[in-house]
Amino acid sequence: DTGVSQDPRHKITKRGQNVTFRCDPISEHNRLYWYRQTLGQGPEFLTYFQNEAQLEKSRLLSDRFSAERPKGSFSTLEIQRTEQGDSAMYLCASSLGAGTSVYEQYFGPGTRLTVT
Amino acid sequence: DQQVKQNSPSLSVQEGRISILNCDYTNSMFDYFLWYKKYPAEGPTFLISISSIKDKNEDGRFTVFLNKSAKHLSLHIVPSQPGDSAVYFCAATGRGSTLGRLYFGRGTQLTVWP
Repeated sequence: DTGVSQDPRHKITKRGQNVTFRCDPISEHNRLYWYRQTLGQGPEFLTYFQNEAQLEKSRLLSDRFSAERPKGSFSTLEIQRTEQGDSAMYLCASSLGAGTSVYEQYFGPGTRLTVT
Repeated sequence: DQQVKQNSPSLSVQEGRISILNCDYTNSMFDYFLWYKKYPAEGPTFLISISSIKDKNEDGRFTVFLNKSAKHLSLHIVPSQPGDSAVYFCAATGRGSTLGRLYFGRGTQLTVWP
């Protein structure tokens, strides 16, 4: 297994456009998380899935953001009507679903979004 | 509200010496703590963790110490190597949090020079 992968690695878009990112977790991991990281900050939690169920969304996740994990495998994060404040690194992580393993999250390389 | 704080944005240490990275937290519900390392253009990599039932956890050159009464933890790297140069994030989670949701500090840039 090659770890968590994310696509694309970089995305430049104009304000108002929609963008979609993809995350492929480690295959045996049933938990999947999305975080956002801005310059000088640590990653901030956005949402997470247990299999295909989205169980929690942060208040950071405005109604312009939507995430899916349709078959409990890969996940997509869509941002509609992008704003300059959406510019950030979007990180995906996955973990096993039992005991303290849920905390030991494995991160992908991230998708860097730049909104112009 | 920053529930996990890393007050030193940077640390510079000579190769072979000890690196000590510090972290403070405010939420008394946190009961599991982790350190992640991040190289440029990569995602954070899990390094070491500690449960609140322990006060020390060791893994090779890396040791994490937890002082619950002070709500403080530290990561010791001995001996430090140039390859350890990276940004180190402290993270916390536990009871009352979404299971698995991590709260991160802002990170400390460690530079190990020869």
